Amino acid sequence: GQNIDQPTEMTATEGAIVQINCTYQTSGFNGLFWYQQHAGEAPTFLSYNVLDGLEEKGRFSSFLSRSKGYSYLLLKELQMKDSASYLCAVMDSNYQLIWGAGTKLIIKP
Amino acid sequence: GAVVSQHPSWVICKSGTSVKIECRSLDFQATTMFWYRQFPKQSLMLMATSNEGSKATYEQGVEKDKFLINHASLTLSTLTVTSAHPEDSSFYICSAVPEIGGQPQHFGDGTRLSIL
Repeated sequence: GQNIDQPTEMTATEGAIVQINCTYQTSGFNGLFWYQQHAGEAPTFLSYNVLDGLEEKGRFSSFLSRSKGYSYLLLKELQMKDSASYLCAVMDSNYQLIWGAGTKLIIKP
Repeated sequence: GAVVSQHPSWVICKSGTSVKIECRSLDFQATTMFWYRQFPKQSLMLMATSNEGSKATYEQGVEKDKFLINHASLTLSTLTVTSAHPEDSSFYICSAVPEIGGQPQHFGDGTRLSIL
């Protein structure tokens, strides 16, 4: 079966750095996505990785290792507004998105 | 760019009522639209995928006669929850992509449906 694993919840301090991991087992691979979802709102797109390596976009970076079935989202200089759920999703060989359950990130002052 | 509008944002209605939710792509033509449901503190659950001009493809366990999807144009898809019951209360979210297999998905703001 297809499976996406990410931690349920993480806590970090304002101004710090946090890494949210995602491991996957899917039927084929056509890219990995990270989305941010604030409570009661729809997800917003953060990043897309299809090749191995690090993609940096401002305070957010995303890393992919296809051989390990592993990705992480790195958030730097954390702000209170970064408190949200972070969803990892993988596109399989049928171009279907397989969603992880999301990681709730709690930022403390 | 890539704005998706979803309407209404909040619906409260009596059990047995049918509710229609609209999803529009405002600045691009959406060949494919997706409908998701999300219960509190749970992840997104894909309900169905609709390609313009074709019948929607429903995920296992989703009743196609209860959740009617129409994607009659490249900018509009509708989801109708027929004879809604309290257990249908949820957060319904649509997303759209400009081409089949295209990414990323752009999400509407979601519709919170409460059935009394």
